[in-house]
Amino acid sequence: SAVISQKPSRDICQRGTSLTIQCQVDSQVTMMFWYRQQPGQSLTLIATANQGSEATYESGFVIDKFPISRPNLTFSTLTVSNMSPEDSSIYLCSVSGTPYNEQFFGPGTRLTVL
Amino acid sequence: ILNVEQSPQSLHVQEGDSTNFTCSFPSSNFYALHWYRWETAKSPEALFVMTLNGDEKKKGRISATLNTKEGYSYLYIKGSQPEDSATYLCAFDPSDYKLSFGAGTTVTVRA
Repeated sequence: SAVISQKPSRDICQRGTSLTIQCQVDSQVTMMFWYRQQPGQSLTLIATANQGSEATYESGFVIDKFPISRPNLTFSTLTVSNMSPEDSSIYLCSVSGTPYNEQFFGPGTRLTVL
Repeated sequence: ILNVEQSPQSLHVQEGDSTNFTCSFPSSNFYALHWYRWETAKSPEALFVMTLNGDEKKKGRISATLNTKEGYSYLYIKGSQPEDSATYLCAFDPSDYKLSFGAGTTVTVRA
């Protein structure tokens, strides 16, 4: 298992601004994942963050809107850029366990964009 | 994006009653089916990872079954307690590390 922390836990932001979410894992991991859950929707994978390479984005998500950093094997950041009310969501980071990809999640960042 | 559906979207259960709900998923390229419990203001917590057709898993009063040929899984809660109130998520895993989640079933247990 892994213990994951996220900052901030919640925030209220103005339209047009950006927010950077931090994710810290208590052990070294190869892949970290960023998810989003919009109100009433499924948890959706935004991107996979690998240390030492560009993040891999899922369909519908682009680097300009959601830039990701992965400076080492225990830390990642997700930035939500030029925010609009549609970005109001819970953002979660996670890591995979083995052998069956069991996900260990952080506590989430609850973002409201006004 | 793979189609994973959960039903019902929400349900209310009287304390002590038993309940169950469904997750349906693609029946091809199956690797694993995950169940998570997500309580308000907490991290989603893994309940089960199911990999074999016919699998049955149990954790306390919660159990799950799996049918990979027809693409569904049931989660059962026996003798529901208020602490079982949460959103239960299932996720289909086709073995490429990218889980596709359902929208969840939110269970509210009334005392």
